[in-house]
Amino acid sequence: NAGVTQTPKFRILKIGQSMTLQCAQDMNHNYMYWYRQDPGMGLKLIYYSVGAGITDKGEVPNGYNVSRSTTEDFPLRLELAAPSQTSVYFCASSPLAGGPYEQYFGPGTRLTVT
Amino acid sequence: AQSVAQPEDQVNVAEGNPLTVKCTYSVSGNPYLFWYVQYPNRGLQFLLKYITGDNLVKGSYGFEAEFNKSQTSFHLKKPSALVSDSALYFCAVRDSFSGNTPLVFGKGTRLSVIA
Repeated sequence: NAGVTQTPKFRILKIGQSMTLQCAQDMNHNYMYWYRQDPGMGLKLIYYSVGAGITDKGEVPNGYNVSRSTTEDFPLRLELAAPSQTSVYFCASSPLAGGPYEQYFGPGTRLTVT
Repeated sequence: AQSVAQPEDQVNVAEGNPLTVKCTYSVSGNPYLFWYVQYPNRGLQFLLKYITGDNLVKGSYGFEAEFNKSQTSFHLKKPSALVSDSALYFCAVRDSFSGNTPLVFGKGTRLSVIA
């Protein structure tokens, strides 16, 4: 049971490039989330998904896209990378979103856009 | 609307002394409250949560948290700090009235335990 896995661990992008951050979970969780963590700013929710084929915007969705074709995978796509997207990205999952259920986090992807 | 605040960016404590990391919340209904810890270059790890019942919640690594409804607080505590407790700590909340929504996280508090 690997939990939540993320690839790559590190990436450097040039301005205007695109990339996909991969996230997978093997806990059969319905709910998955993408957060970004900026220094001193805590976690901000980018997108989340309540199940395959269903996604919803979080607090800071601009510049990102997501898809959820399977229960296990929730990739985050960056189009036309900008320096403001330099951050650490965390994927998380939970069995349900409401109520007392905690979220399980992956190890993160550190992205630098120059 | 639900929100959570961690009023201290940094907490410094000597090894062996008790530690407290503060968290206050605002919800419309009843709160579900969580503490997470993040070690350098790692993801967030779940420490403990309050759902209902006993106001003192015990969690991993000897941590506990005290729920205080009148003060809308959920402070994280440990009787005797270790250097290895040095990390970034996040408080999170979900309102029981909010339905199927993600957790809302505070900005985090950096704990430094000095030997």
